[in-house]
Amino acid sequence: KQEVTQIPAALSVPEGENLVLNCSFTDSAIYNLQWFRQDPGKGLTSLLLIQSSQREQTSGRLNASLDKSSGRSTLYIAASQPGDSATYLCAVGGVYGGATNKLIFGTGTLLAVQP
Amino acid sequence: DAGVTQSPTHLIKTRGQQVTLRCSPKSGHDTVSWYQQALGQGPQFIFQYYEEEERQRGNFPDRFSGHQFPNYSSELNVNALLLGDSALYLCASSWGSGPAAFFGQGTRLTVV
Repeated sequence: KQEVTQIPAALSVPEGENLVLNCSFTDSAIYNLQWFRQDPGKGLTSLLLIQSSQREQTSGRLNASLDKSSGRSTLYIAASQPGDSATYLCAVGGVYGGATNKLIFGTGTLLAVQP
Repeated sequence: DAGVTQSPTHLIKTRGQQVTLRCSPKSGHDTVSWYQQALGQGPQFIFQYYEEEERQRGNFPDRFSGHQFPNYSSELNVNALLLGDSALYLCASSWGSGPAAFFGQGTRLTVV
């Protein structure tokens, strides 16, 4: 059974700091891994999608890496800003029981960037 | 392109009632998945619809049912509501076996 864990559960950093969020998963047979951002009470915004054959993806100040063999992914945020404050969710996608690309989520990391 | 749209945005129901939530997928997408997100938790997979058939369901009771229409839009129905059904319900759409990267803004259901 696939399980996804995110560490830390919460993180508070001063503005301008670089930071790393961690995600681990138990079953390496995945199609892809996504990082999402969720603002309070809102839906999910996909930040980065890494296919199983890829090692990393970059978008602006964000960089996500994937190591399938160790079951780990990291999301690196450079030069953090108060607007980055949100919950960050990691999700692995695969075929589970016939559902194509069913996503299994971690519980998220709540990030607060202090001005 | 309107993306994934869900309605209503907020809903308050009484225990024992029934509720229907709606989702319109992103243009060109034919697969709809529903997720339940309790407060402080990650979303949990409820079920997925493709070609008007339920392809798979997660660990949710039969009180949760769904439907997909020929235009690919979908409904989630919950009967005999319990207080524990209070959550944010999210709809995600994708095309075929593509990644489910597009989520709606969700419906916040409160059961009192």
